[in-house]
Amino acid sequence: DTGVSQDPRHKITKRGQNVTFRCDPISEHNRLYWYRQTLGQGPEFLTYFQNEAQLEKSRLLSDRFSAERPKGSFSTLEIQRTEQGDSAMYLCASSLRLLGEQFFGPGTRLTVL
Amino acid sequence: GENVEQHPSTLSVQEGDSAVIKCTYSDSASNYFPWYKQELGKGPQLIIDIRSNVGEKKDQRIAVTLNKTAKHFSLHITETQPEDSAVYFCAASTSYNTDKLIFGTGTRLQVFP
Repeated sequence: DTGVSQDPRHKITKRGQNVTFRCDPISEHNRLYWYRQTLGQGPEFLTYFQNEAQLEKSRLLSDRFSAERPKGSFSTLEIQRTEQGDSAMYLCASSLRLLGEQFFGPGTRLTVL
Repeated sequence: GENVEQHPSTLSVQEGDSAVIKCTYSDSASNYFPWYKQELGKGPQLIIDIRSNVGEKKDQRIAVTLNKTAKHFSLHITETQPEDSAVYFCAASTSYNTDKLIFGTGTRLQVFP
């Protein structure tokens, strides 16, 4: 399967712990996006990479959040000192061109106890 | 900021009937409007999209219409089937800066046999 993959699929952590999620986009897709989705809501944009450059960050992305995309391939999203409000589904998407179809991965569901 | 409103939040139809979901966007510069279907435990999947230079697009049982003047766009599903049951999201995007998607709040469609 050559779709977008995310790891882990589920993560349960205690408040105050750090967590890291990984996204592997479709190969040759140079555009990569992170979204967050809470129950009953649509996905909300967090950040965007074109190749290895992080070009936009939402104000939703507090200082506790950091994302990287070394070498323009896979991306990681780290949340430091997790809070209960961070509980959500974290979705990664990739696309090949501007205003092209964004292909979404299955998401990582984070539960902060 | 940019906003997309979606109605209704839930929609129940009998198999074979049509379903219509409506969205309104706020940013007049928006020029790309995808519709996504999300099944339980999965990431959103694109079902159809339309760009601002087109008023209508159809793909088998699915059609999307766009009214740029009124900033409305709608999804039409004809001859609904039980497997159409899912949550549907509309979204809007622009081509300046990033093409991040601004999503609506979703419509839960239930198709009863």
